[in-house]
Amino acid sequence: AQSVTQLGSHVSVSEGALVLLRCNYSSSVPPYLFWYVQYPNQGLQLLLKYTSAATLVKGINGFEAEFKKSETSFHLTKPSAHMSDAAEYFCAVTRGGGSQGNLIFGKGTKLSVKP
Amino acid sequence: NAGVTQTPKFRVLKTGQSMTLLCAQDMNHEYMYWYRQDPGMGLRLIHYSVGEGTTAKGEVPDGYNVSRLKKQNFLLGLESAAPSQTSVYFCASRRQGALSTLFFGSGTQLSVL
Repeated sequence: AQSVTQLGSHVSVSEGALVLLRCNYSSSVPPYLFWYVQYPNQGLQLLLKYTSAATLVKGINGFEAEFKKSETSFHLTKPSAHMSDAAEYFCAVTRGGGSQGNLIFGKGTKLSVKP
Repeated sequence: NAGVTQTPKFRVLKTGQSMTLLCAQDMNHEYMYWYRQDPGMGLRLIHYSVGEGTTAKGEVPDGYNVSRLKKQNFLLGLESAAPSQTSVYFCASRRQGALSTLFFGSGTQLSVL
């Protein structure tokens, strides 16, 4: 069965600092992995997704994530945090390796950005 | 583009009351989902549908029912609301394929007193 674990329910960084949000996955088949972002009082939006085409995936708003099979990780990074990055971030993995996978979400990491 | 629209946005119920949440999408997506979001729990799948007239249970289906009579609509029903169903409910939809993007509505805040 697939699952994801997000390390740290809250992360706080200063504006301009590196953002690192951690996600580890468990999957018995090659996974498809996603990062979604939720701004206050909104639904989730896709940031980026790993499709097995490239291990380093670039997303919107300057975010990127690297798939590391040996570490079963898919951590999300951004070189320089902006105040507008304050939100909750969710890592997700598909259930099953076939064409019909329901997403399984992690519990989320709330990112705060200090001026 | 409207995308995924949820109604209502807020609702307060008394224990034992019933209600229906409506989700409508205008993207001609095959798959639709209902999630609940609780603090520290992430999103948990309640029910989903892979096409008109079909529904299936997710991780936490107890106390909920769903219907997909039309491709664009997915209804979530609570027959007898309980305080444990106080949550934020999100509808989502996507086209076929494991890599297709999930599009979310803006959520419904439900309180059961």
